[in-house]
Amino acid sequence: QKEVEQNSGPLSVPEGAIASLNCTYSDRGSQSFFWYRQYSGKSPELIMFIYSNGDKEDGRFTAQLNKASQYVSLLIRDSQPSDSATYLCALLGWGKLQFGAGTQVVVTP
Amino acid sequence: DVKVTQSSRYLVKRTGEKVFLECVQDMDHENMFWYRQDPGLGLRLIYFSYDVKMKEKGDIPEGYSVSREKKERFSLILESASTNQTSMYLCASSLSTSGTAEQFFGPGTRLTVL
Repeated sequence: QKEVEQNSGPLSVPEGAIASLNCTYSDRGSQSFFWYRQYSGKSPELIMFIYSNGDKEDGRFTAQLNKASQYVSLLIRDSQPSDSATYLCALLGWGKLQFGAGTQVVVTP
Repeated sequence: DVKVTQSSRYLVKRTGEKVFLECVQDMDHENMFWYRQDPGLGLRLIYFSYDVKMKEKGDIPEGYSVSREKKERFSLILESASTNQTSMYLCASSLSTSGTAEQFFGPGTRLTVL
């Protein structure tokens, strides 16, 4: 079993709708969680991190963490074509990041 | 802005060649990382370094070595390249390894081993 699991997609989302991405993890000791966005042919860039249970909002993005159920999610509100990318979930353990394989999101006009 | 640069965007090598991938960061970051990224597998950590001349194995160190002689530079070495090392290689750096420390990535080197 992979330590960080994501649905590979593609997740097709109409423009203006909410995209919901999920990530589950196996290491209960993980404390910090990150969402990176990666455009095709580009390197990953950080969207946001979360380390407390609950929701964290940053603009159109909301990260949700539930440590008891071992999942972290990312919501993208009012999805735009520029949000079309692969979204990588990562968790921090022992000073290093463990990445999921990523979920491809396609926002359709 | 943090800038992480990698020596080549594309590289083609032959089986058995020794390959050097160079990474330089300009923000005085303590930590540097080398990943490879393959379809369906995500980013996998090869090696990382917390300080000059320090190195730690990641999840897939076999077939690779690293060198960090200066704080800003972290090199990945393929001693004898093999076709299964064809991949995208990404370097990253971070200020620290604390819980919220962001990793900044370089543009990547797409290596093809023939």
